Amino acid sequence: NAGVTQTPKFQVLKTGQSMTLQCAQDMNHNSMYWYRQDPGMGLRLIYYSASEGTTDKGEVPNGYNVSRLNKREFSLRLESAAPSQTSVYFCASGKGTISNQPQHFGDGTRLSIL
Amino acid sequence: SQKIEQNSEALNIQEGKTATLTCNYTNYSPAYLQWYRQDPGRGPVFLLLIRENEKEKRKERLKVTFDTTLKQSLFHITASQPADSATYLCALEVGGSYIPTFGRGTSLIVHP
Repeated sequence: NAGVTQTPKFQVLKTGQSMTLQCAQDMNHNSMYWYRQDPGMGLRLIYYSASEGTTDKGEVPNGYNVSRLNKREFSLRLESAAPSQTSVYFCASGKGTISNQPQHFGDGTRLSIL
Repeated sequence: SQKIEQNSEALNIQEGKTATLTCNYTNYSPAYLQWYRQDPGRGPVFLLLIRENEKEKRKERLKVTFDTTLKQSLFHITASQPADSATYLCALEVGGSYIPTFGRGTSLIVHP
């Protein structure tokens, strides 16, 4: 049982390049999330999808777009990468719009933008 | 403004002792509080959840307390082992939001 799978694991981009981070979950979860984790800042929510067909902004959405391709897959796109977007990106999934449910995380994509 | 505070300094303890990590919050009224473990290079892994009407929750060597008056949760690991070394994150969930807000985490180092 793979859980939450993120690809790629590492990526180096040049400023201005675009890239899509992929995330897939096999737990039949309704909700999916994208976070970024920076030293000293903790996990910050970028975008989330409460259910298939819906997406909403989180705390730090600027510079990003998302697509909920189907129930399993939720992608994060950087249209024009900036050095400030150098970070570790985590995808997570959960059962949905029900309180007290834990989130299940992938192992992250380490993104460096030069 | 809303804040979740976890000690940014690493907690160093000897194997066999009890580790106690603190999560303080301000300007929140969380319905639930969760604790996660994160190992280097890995994503967070859920450990325990405690509800606002619960004082204490236990799971094997782990114990979590939740004091809504003090606005604080304590996370205890008894009989700690070097394998418990990791960063521990607390996360608050305000009732109805279902999306937790995470603290920055505290690093625990258990020395053999």
